[in-house]
Amino acid sequence: ELKVEQNPLFLSMQEGKNYTIYCNYSTTSDRLYWYRQDPGKSLESLFVLLSNGAVKQEGRLMASLDTKARLSTLHITAAVHDLSATYFCAVESSNDYKLSFGAGTTVTVRA
Amino acid sequence: KAGVTQTPRYLIKTRGQQVTLSCSPISGHRSVSWYQQTPGQGLQFLFEYFSETQRNKGNFPGRFSGRQFSNSRSEMNVSTLELGDSALYLCASSWEEMRNTEAFFGQGTRLTVV
Repeated sequence: ELKVEQNPLFLSMQEGKNYTIYCNYSTTSDRLYWYRQDPGKSLESLFVLLSNGAVKQEGRLMASLDTKARLSTLHITAAVHDLSATYFCAVESSNDYKLSFGAGTTVTVRA
Repeated sequence: KAGVTQTPRYLIKTRGQQVTLSCSPISGHRSVSWYQQTPGQGLQFLFEYFSETQRNKGNFPGRFSGRQFSNSRSEMNVSTLELGDSALYLCASSWEEMRNTEAFFGQGTRLTVV
């Protein structure tokens, strides 16, 4: 069974500083997704990473995928308050049609 | 373009009752997946439908079932509700098979079992 581990689970960020969230997974996969969830809301798709070495950037967020290391990172540059949310990585199994999610990283950005 | 629509948004049921949740995917999307989100277990896969066929099922008891109609709308049903079934149920749709396209999630149905 595919297992996905995120760390840290909680991240208190200071505005203006840089941080990284890590996502490790247990079996071969070449498709990884990052989602954002605000309290009481649904999941918003941030990035879709479809191959080894994929790097995508949107604003202050940058995601990368290393399929050999089974690792994805979500890098936050110069954190701002509106980035406060819970971030999930999800990995797609190579042989079925489901996403396995990490536990989520709850990010709080303070002044 | 309308997103994924889930109804109802909130539901309160009593133990032992049954409940049906509905999901209307984005127009043209043929794959619908269901997930359960709880504080303790996180996001867990329930099942996935494509063209009215269930292609994969998660590790949930038989009380959880679903179906998909010819217009791609999907329903999930939970019978004999237990307190532990209280959760946010999320539906996601994608254009075709999950492997080819990303999934878009609805707002969810928050089920409370008392």
